[in-house]
Formats: sequence, structure tokens, C-alpha cells
Amino acid sequence: GENVEQHPSTLSVQEGDSAVIKCTYSDSASNYFPWYKQELGKRPQLIIDIRSNVGEKKDQRIAVTLNKTAKHFSLHITETQPEDSAVYFCAASFRGAQKLVFGQGTRLTINP
Amino acid sequence: DADVTQTPRNRITKTGKRIMLECSQTKGHDRMYWYRQDPGLGLRLIYYSFDVKDINKGEISDGYSVSRQAQAKFSLSLESAIPNQTALYFCATSDPPRSSGVEQFFGPGTRLTVL
Repeated sequence: GENVEQHPSTLSVQEGDSAVIKCTYSDSASNYFPWYKQELGKRPQLIIDIRSNVGEKKDQRIAVTLNKTAKHFSLHITETQPEDSAVYFCAASFRGAQKLVFGQGTRLTINP
Repeated sequence: DADVTQTPRNRITKTGKRIMLECSQTKGHDRMYWYRQDPGLGLRLIYYSFDVKDINKGEISDGYSVSRQAQAKFSLSLESAIPNQTALYFCATSDPPRSSGVEQFFGPGTRLTVL
């Protein structure tokens, strides 16, 4: 079936350290993998995405890696800052690109 | 700025009542989606629509119905609300994808409590 598993559910890191969130997906035909950030009381917003024709994408302190063979992808945040504290959701496209299925979310806390 | 809006932002209702949540967008997108968010369960798709005449069930459509009144409006109804429908509801919009997916833009959310 259509499924995206996300780990860990909570993550606490010291400011300046790196954070890694991992997701696995079930549909080998999935070809689009976005990551959304939801700050407290706010709406989810896209922070980075990757398509199945590339293995890695970086945007300043944020990077995403994709392993199509293993059907997993990861979000890497380096030099974490207090404003990185939020809930992060991964997602994968299903039925071609008709819809997204989201992971369960990771609550990231950056400790000063 | 073009945006996605939802009304109401908060609603408290009683078991058995009919509730409608409304979503409007000025982004000019064809595709619209309704999700519910529960702690530990992420965002789950309820219904989605690719144009005015198109309605599709998501993974958790039971107990819900939708109406796409216009390209810019997509309403979610709970015919007879029950307490386990207490959740945060998000509307989202997107352009049609190219060869792969595209960004979805979320509204501010509606917090619904069913007593």
C-alpha cells in the first residue's frame, strides 16, 4: 500500500550540531520527495524537495539525500539554530504525481 | 500576495452536528486538497480535486464529503460530527505536476473540536 515511515518522532540536538531525519517509502514508482517545516501554530511550508533523477540536493544548511534502491531519503540540517525548532514532515508522491503521502512528522528541538 | 485561506479558523461543535469548513485560494491553482493533522499521525489526505468536475477520495474519506464550487473554492463537510474527528484541518493547493510532483501550498488551518 501507500506508506511513508518517518523516524525519529522526536529529536533534540544542541545548537550548532547536525540533525538527521529519515524516511522510507513503499512505492518504487514515487518520483518526488518534498520536506515541509511546520513552526508552532503555523502552516506547513516547503523547505526543500528532490526528484528521483538526482541523489542529493543542498540549500545552504539543509540537504536531502535519496537512495532509490533502498527506497529511503533523509533530511540533513547542519549548524542548527534555535529557529530550526519545528515539526518536519517528509512526503512521497504516489500514483505518478497525483498526490502526496506524508510521514508521521519529527519534532525537532534545538537546545541553546 | 496570492494565498490560501480557510474559514473558520477555530470551531467547537457537538456530536451529531453538521459542519462545513471552507477553503478559498487566489493562487490560480487547479488542484485542491483537504488534510487532517493528528499528533503522531502526520498529515492524512481526506479528499482531493483536480478541477471543478473532479473529486477523489483520499486515505481517510469516511465521514466526510466535499464540494468544489469553483476553481478557487473547495469545501469540506462533516455530515454528523463525532469526537474522533477532532483535529487540525488543512486545505492545500497546487499546480498540475510536470513529470513529477510539485509544491503544495497550505492554508492556515482550521482547529475543529467535537464535544
